[in-house]
Amino acid sequence: GAVVSQHPSWVICKSGTSVKIECRSLDFQATTMFWYRQFPKQSLMLMATSNEGSKATYEQGVEKDKFLINHASLTLSTLTVTSAHPEDSSFYICSASEDSFNEQFFGPGTRLTVL
Amino acid sequence: GQQLNQSPQSMFIQEGEDVSMNCTSSSIFNTWLWYKQDPGEGPVLLIALYKAGELTSNGRLTAQFGITRKDSFLNISASIPSDVGIYFCAGQLGSGGSNYKLTFGKGTLLTVNP
Repeated sequence: GAVVSQHPSWVICKSGTSVKIECRSLDFQATTMFWYRQFPKQSLMLMATSNEGSKATYEQGVEKDKFLINHASLTLSTLTVTSAHPEDSSFYICSASEDSFNEQFFGPGTRLTVL
Repeated sequence: GQQLNQSPQSMFIQEGEDVSMNCTSSSIFNTWLWYKQDPGEGPVLLIALYKAGELTSNGRLTAQFGITRKDSFLNISASIPSDVGIYFCAGQLGSGGSNYKLTFGKGTLLTVNP
């Protein structure tokens, strides 16, 4: 149990385009989903926390207008990278939990490369 | 903000050897977590620690929550090739507000030579 999927697993796009990444909890209802970014050989850095049906809470330094998060249902959250630039190239990982303080189950990640 | 210092940064060991890695923090955490991440994958939880002084095992893995609540270690005994990966510690304050957030260490890259 407690499986989280992400789609796509990798994406290559041109600079200036927008990319949407989906995060789904497959066998449980996720009240809270988290989005992390991981640069090569670096740790996971929390970008934002989203609760189902409400606006996401962004970490300091993360532009909410650039990284749009929608958590419209208890099993799906989406992260849209708008007007992507090469510096946005990274490994994006989501996690989901039944409650913000419960165990987080991580997705397999999405590798974004912006040319 | 809180920072976690994880060491060593990387380890090269022979199959069968024991491994130890640790994390220290400048401030206390009420929960310590250890994860393993394989290349191109998300982290998988190995062990969770909820009480200062707690010693918990999961197969060949043993982790301890430091008495001061500012440190934790992870031991792997009798390493095997599939232990290869990056190990992360993470701390959580817990109990209300925004204290649900996880703070991750920088990771320990483990290589096991068969």
